[in-house]
Amino acid sequence: QQQVKQSPQSLIVQKGGISIINCAYENTAFDYFPWYQQFPGKGPALLIAIRPDVSEKKEGRFTISFNKSAKQFSLHIMDSQPGDSATYFCAGYNFNKFYFGSGTKLNVKP
Amino acid sequence: EPEVTQTPSHQVTQMGQEVILRCVPISNHLYFYWYRQILGQKVEFLVSFYNNEISEKSEIFDDQFSVERPDGSNFTLKIRSTKLEDSAMYFCASSDPLTYLIYEQFFGPGTRLTVL
Repeated sequence: QQQVKQSPQSLIVQKGGISIINCAYENTAFDYFPWYQQFPGKGPALLIAIRPDVSEKKEGRFTISFNKSAKQFSLHIMDSQPGDSATYFCAGYNFNKFYFGSGTKLNVKP
Repeated sequence: EPEVTQTPSHQVTQMGQEVILRCVPISNHLYFYWYRQILGQKVEFLVSFYNNEISEKSEIFDDQFSVERPDGSNFTLKIRSTKLEDSAMYFCASSDPLTYLIYEQFFGPGTRLTVL
């Protein structure tokens, strides 16, 4: 059962542009929605996260928008930089388990 | 800054052999996890471990898998009889609910397991 669906699979953005990655979830029992950033050869690193009682969370250039009724959430990267080029995973958390999306490979062109 | 470490970085084994993947979680963390990531695919939860016992496991974590905390610092994943489909990157993670949210898991760099 694919509990978290992520799109797009890959994304190319020009430097300075906005990167948007979308996720949809099925399990309404999820109570925490993190985004992880993964560089090649490294483990995922927590980037930003949100609880379902909040509609938006912003940390620097990274913003999560959360729509509980639609069971969707998205990551917005403002002023995208080449250093942001990585794979991004969304996830839902419930009962000490994370369910990850399939990942989005972001390439920010200089 | 404390970090999760994993050894070896790459393990090559023959099908049917046993492998042990090792992890040193961040000291004072209480929850430990194993995940796997087949090349190009999503990260999949395998097992969580707390207070010297498994707290959650996924359907992937069958009888071929076991975990152990043999001492106060190491956390291991054993695969008894490896299959070709066990080839993947295996990530260890740890979290400390007393300092951070239990949700905030810190991942190691991973061990790439190749089964021939």
